[in-house]
Amino acid sequence: AQSVAQPEDQVNVAEGNPLTVKCTYSVSGNPYLFWYVQYPNRGLQFLLKYITGDNLVKGSYGFEAEFNKSQTSFHLKKPSALVSDSALYFCAVRENAGNNRKLIWGLGTSLAVNP
Amino acid sequence: ETGVTQSPTHLIKTRGQQVTLRCSSQSGHNTVSWYQQALGQGPQFIFQYYREEENGRGNFPPRFSGLQFPNYSSELNVNALELDDSALYLCASSPNRGGPTGELFFGEGSRLTVL
Repeated sequence: AQSVAQPEDQVNVAEGNPLTVKCTYSVSGNPYLFWYVQYPNRGLQFLLKYITGDNLVKGSYGFEAEFNKSQTSFHLKKPSALVSDSALYFCAVRENAGNNRKLIWGLGTSLAVNP
Repeated sequence: ETGVTQSPTHLIKTRGQQVTLRCSSQSGHNTVSWYQQALGQGPQFIFQYYREEENGRGNFPPRFSGLQFPNYSSELNVNALELDDSALYLCASSPNRGGPTGELFFGEGSRLTVL
C-alpha cells in the first residue's frame, strides 16, 4: 500500500537558521511527490513537486526539496527560515493505481520559526 | 490565488441536519476532489468527480454524496450530520482527473461545526 510518513509533529527553528521538514514515502513504481503548506484556517497551497529529473527541486517562497530514491525520502528544506514560514506543512504522494490519481497525504508537520 | 472558490466559508449545524457545500473549479479544470480535514489531521479523500461522474471514493459512508455540474462546479452534501463531521472541507480542482502529475489546486475551505 502506498503511504507517506512525516515523522515529526513539530519542528522549531530560529529565524535565519536552515530548516528541514522530513518526509518518507512508500509507493509502487515511480513516485510523484508534493509539498503543500497550510496557514491557519486557510486552504492548502502548492509549494513544489518532484516528477522526474534533478533530485533537488526548487519551489515557491525559497523552499526546495531533495528526492532520495535509496532512502525513499523527500525532505523539504530552506536555507534561511523566516517567521512568516510558520505554518503546517504536508507531504503527499500520488497514488499510481487506478484512474483518479488521488494524492495520499502525510499527517503534517507544524513548523514554528522563532524570532 | 488558485481560482478555486468555496462557499460558505463557515457554517454551524446541529446533529441530524443536512448540509450542502459548494465549489467552483479553476477555469479549464474538469475534475473536482473533496477532502475532509479534521483539526490537527491531514486531508482525507472523500471523492472525486470527473466530467459529472464520481471517479473514485474514499472511506466515507453513503451519507456523504456529491454532484458535479456541466460547468464543472461541484457540491458536497452530507446528510444526518454527526459531531465527528465537524471539520474543514476542502475542494481541489485539477485537469483531467489530476492531469499528468496529480497536482491539485485548493480552495480556502468550508469550516463546518456540528453541535
